[in-house]
Amino acid sequence: AQSVTQLGSHVSVSEGALVLLRCNYSSSVPPYLFWYVQYPNQGLQLLLKYTTGATLVKGINGFEAEFKKSETSFHLTKPSAHMSDAAEYFCAVSKGAGSYQLTFGKGTKLSVIP
Amino acid sequence: KAGVTQTPRYLIKTRGQQVTLSCSPISGHRSVSWYQQTPGQGLQFLFEYFSETQRNKGNFPGRFSGRQFSNSRSEMNVSTLELGDSALYLCASSLELAGTKNIQYFGAGTRLSVL
Repeated sequence: AQSVTQLGSHVSVSEGALVLLRCNYSSSVPPYLFWYVQYPNQGLQLLLKYTTGATLVKGINGFEAEFKKSETSFHLTKPSAHMSDAAEYFCAVSKGAGSYQLTFGKGTKLSVIP
Repeated sequence: KAGVTQTPRYLIKTRGQQVTLSCSPISGHRSVSWYQQTPGQGLQFLFEYFSETQRNKGNFPGRFSGRQFSNSRSEMNVSTLELGDSALYLCASSLELAGTKNIQYFGAGTRLSVL
């Protein structure tokens, strides 16, 4: 079975500060890992993904995440928060190639303080 | 290219009724998945269809069912609605080709309220 734990249901940062959203996973097979963002009354938008290869992955809007197998983590970071980053962020895991079933974390709501 | 389209966007039903939600995937996408999002349980996988066949099913009661048509459009049905079925139902589609890395594209969802 797979699971995802996102530490912190709410995170507040000041505009211009570092954004760090934490995600730890458990998987019985080499996982594919994803971060999605959800704005109010909208669906999910893919920020970035890790499948194989380079463990530091870059996504849209200046976000990046690093896959650390030894720590079973896939934390999301952005060097400088912008007001438009305020949204809910979801980390998700799938069982790898050929699997379209995503297991999501509970989500982290990011607030950006001007 | 149009994204994933879900209809209707909002729906209000009463307990005991049934409901059908529709999802049109991105053109060319053949895999469609459904998820339920609630404040308490978060995002939970319902089922996944590919080429009109259910490939995978989550842990939901038999009241939840779905199907996929030959044009890849999908519907999900919930019978005998309960208050706890109130949720945002999200549909996602994928282009199942080597190298696409299982990326799923989500629609805006259908918000179902059961009174």
